[in-house]
This record gives sequence, structure tokens and C-alpha cells, in this order.
Amino acid sequence: QVQLVQSGSEVKKPGASVRVSCRTSGATFNSYTINWVRQAPGQGLEWLGGVIPLFRTTDYLQRFQDRLTITADESTRTVYMELRSLTFEDTAIFYCATGDLGGGYLDSWGPGTLVTVSS
Amino acid sequence: VMTQSPLSLSVTPGEPASISCRSNQSLLHLDGNNYLDWYLQKPGQSPHLLIYLGSNRASGVPDRISGSGSVTDFTLQINRVGAADVGVYYCMQGLQSPYTFGQGTKLEIK
Repeated sequence: QVQLVQSGSEVKKPGASVRVSCRTSGATFNSYTINWVRQAPGQGLEWLGGVIPLFRTTDYLQRFQDRLTITADESTRTVYMELRSLTFEDTAIFYCATGDLGGGYLDSWGPGTLVTVSS
Repeated sequence: VMTQSPLSLSVTPGEPASISCRSNQSLLHLDGNNYLDWYLQKPGQSPHLLIYLGSNRASGVPDRISGSGSVTDFTLQINRVGAADVGVYYCMQGLQSPYTFGQGTKLEIK
């Protein structure tokens, strides 16, 4: 199973950008997908997007397409999520999670990174 | 769209619990698998995988927890509910992008 370590909490002002990292270890970096899931305070889970390092392809939830970028650095086994033009509604915990290349399930989850958007 | 029911559940220790998840589209792939998973998020923790592809237990999941169903209707069954089962259960469809979760079902112990 893959171990995931995420970067620390962030506080950002509205309109700013945030970059969250997710460093992986354990299994071969190209043997899984890495996904980002967010959870607003007291709310459920929402898949935002993911990257397949093997194919260097990304996929995003359509309504985040314009302000979300997910990148993978194979040399450091780290995946980054950048969310731009932050609003108060972006305050949430962001989880990275690995997925099977065949699709369908998220089998290892990171501890989460709290992003707070506050003026 | 994934719809779970009930949204909350209060169970007597030792009794069973059942959670339903319905999809508005078929989750049955041509490969014969149903791309429906179950996750548990315990209080203050990250979610973790319980059941994948409809009925397969993830590593370390006890056999008193099982998943069943096909196409659009799925069920998570928890037998002999105990304190370790407290949390919010989510179903998720992984058949196609974007992956979508159910609203979550909060299970508590009476």
C-alpha cells in the first residue's frame, strides 16, 4: 500500500492561490493514479480531479477546470494541487488519495490539508 | 448522482446495520465489475476504503462487513455493530469521471 504525506495547513486571502503537496512512498510511482478530494466543514466528499503519472494525463471536475491544476513530479514522487482564485467557499480539507490504474477505487488516503480562506 | 439512505443510523451494539446506495446510471462495466465502492470516515480521520468493485473487501476489513448489489442498487451490510464502526459511510461511483460520492450516512451507537 502507498503512504501519503501532505503539506501543512494554509491560510489564504480571497483571490489568492494555494498549492498543496502530496508525497508518496511505498509502491512504484507510475503504478497508480493520484486524486484530490475535498471536504468543506461539516460536509461530504467531493472529487476534484486526478493525475495518472504513467500517462502524464490529468482529469478535472468540470467546474474547477479553469482554476485547478494537478501536476506530478516523478523524481520526488510528489503530486501538487494548485487552486487559484480562492473564495471563502473553498475553505476545506483537501485529501490526496491513490487510485487503481484500472479505475474505480481510492485505496490509500493522505491525512488531509486544511485550507482556510479568510480576509 | 449517488443517493444514500438512510442519512443517519442509530444502532444497538451487536445488532446489524444496512446502508443503501443508488445510482441514477448503471455502474456495471463491460468487464463484469460494478464500479461502486464504500468508504468509512471515522471522526477526525481521513476516509478509508472498505469495499471496492461492489463486493470486495479492502485489506484488513473484517468479514462482518460486506457489500452487495449490481447495476444501480447497492447495499453495505455491517453485522454485529460496535464502537469501531462509528463514523460516516460514503458510497462512490468510480465508473467514469468525475467520480461522485453519496451524501454520506452517519452511523452512531445507541
